[in-house]
Amino acid sequence: DTEVTQTPKHLVMGMTNKKSLKCEQHMGHRAMYWYKQKAKKPPELMFVYSYEKLSINESVPSRFSPECPNSSLLNLHLHALQPEDSALYLCASSQVDTSKPYEQYFGPGTRLTVT
Amino acid sequence: LAKTTQPISMDSYEGQEVNITCSHNNIATNDYITWYQQFPSQGPRFIIQGYKTKVTNEVASLFIPADRKSSTLSLPRVSLSDTAVYYCLHNFNKFYFGSGTKLNVKP
Repeated sequence: DTEVTQTPKHLVMGMTNKKSLKCEQHMGHRAMYWYKQKAKKPPELMFVYSYEKLSINESVPSRFSPECPNSSLLNLHLHALQPEDSALYLCASSQVDTSKPYEQYFGPGTRLTVT
Repeated sequence: LAKTTQPISMDSYEGQEVNITCSHNNIATNDYITWYQQFPSQGPRFIIQGYKTKVTNEVASLFIPADRKSSTLSLPRVSLSDTAVYYCLHNFNKFYFGSGTKLNVKP
């Protein structure tokens, strides 16, 4: 199984709502990532988890709160978002190795619209 | 931040070989060079990765000169389904995507 699944596929939320994005993989990968991608732009790294611990936060606003409950799951909790946060949110996973980077496997993304 | 420079777009015809070059002047000693492909409304998909010289897999070849300040992704005999955006990154423990090259394959 080389699949990363993300739910929901689409999400529309108001600026006062609280919602969560979910990501799951069963490849035994111990690194998981969140990216944000605006239309016609490259993915931008947001967070990296390594062995269920947050290792990289790319200065993301606190209205985005990541969580890694176990080695297979990654959540992104959303609260008080702004319309400019509307984007495709991508989850990825990879093996961890200190000697070389491993390929990332990406999910299909969650298309988020903030109204 | 790792920074790469790629052509914004390229056109090709079915059956041709396509070479996409990426410039990465600030590559670090530990960095590898990785290429991803992305179709609209999908996540990127790994194509190939290398450190130096030439790497080949069932999908593409990657050429890296000795100074490692650039790399070239070679796609043999492209088809319409290869129309996508191709991203070059140089990375070790962080992943910063460049602006990408939109490849348009025509019949």
